[in-house]
Amino acid sequence: QVQLEESGGAVVQPGRSLTLSCAASGFTFSSHGMHWVRQAPGKGLEWVALISNDAENIHYGDPVKGRFTISRDNSKKTLYLEMNSLRVEDTAVYYCAKDPSSGYYRYSMDVWGHGTTVSVSS
Amino acid sequence: DIQMTQSPSSLSASVGDRVIITCQASQGIHNYVNWYQHKSGEAPKLLIYDGSKLEVGVPSRFSGRGSGTEFALIISSLQPEDIATYYCQHYYSVPLSFGPGTKLEIK
Repeated sequence: QVQLEESGGAVVQPGRSLTLSCAASGFTFSSHGMHWVRQAPGKGLEWVALISNDAENIHYGDPVKGRFTISRDNSKKTLYLEMNSLRVEDTAVYYCAKDPSSGYYRYSMDVWGHGTTVSVSS
Repeated sequence: DIQMTQSPSSLSASVGDRVIITCQASQGIHNYVNWYQHKSGEAPKLLIYDGSKLEVGVPSRFSGRGSGTEFALIISSLQPEDIATYYCQHYYSVPLSFGPGTKLEIK
């Protein structure tokens, strides 16, 4: 079955860096766009970033632009989120999600992982 | 950037009730709206895409309607397992955004 499993969440100090991973299985990873979405404690869902199947179409939400980098390795069926200059407000559960399309249009998220927790605190 | 608002922010209803959650976009977005269900401790789940299309495996009591700036998620007969927070999400342009959510409880 289609599965996504996030890893890499940790407690880190403000200003430090962290990289999250999302391992995919059960579908042709190289055919689908992928997203990162986060949920801060007590808050709603917030879209973070998307990457097309071929990594040519990449977009970020305003709060993370210039600090976070989304990437993928289709040979390893893995999605990444490199997070730099972390802030307290980046504290959240981070979900990866599969887009039913190639990631160039009609963006939606039809399969989600269970999330990994990032806590930014001094 | 397009902003999504939802109402109500929370809702308490009885089993069997018809429930309507509304979502408003800050500008016209055709039917480029998805709806998600998020139960506590679980992964979010896509319910409705393209404004009104039911995702495979989602019970038929869920439906979506609307276009332009006004959208709605309708649960025709509320079930106990529908306790969750519901979010709309637009994909008209980037950045994508979700509504603030509607927390649904059973009376």
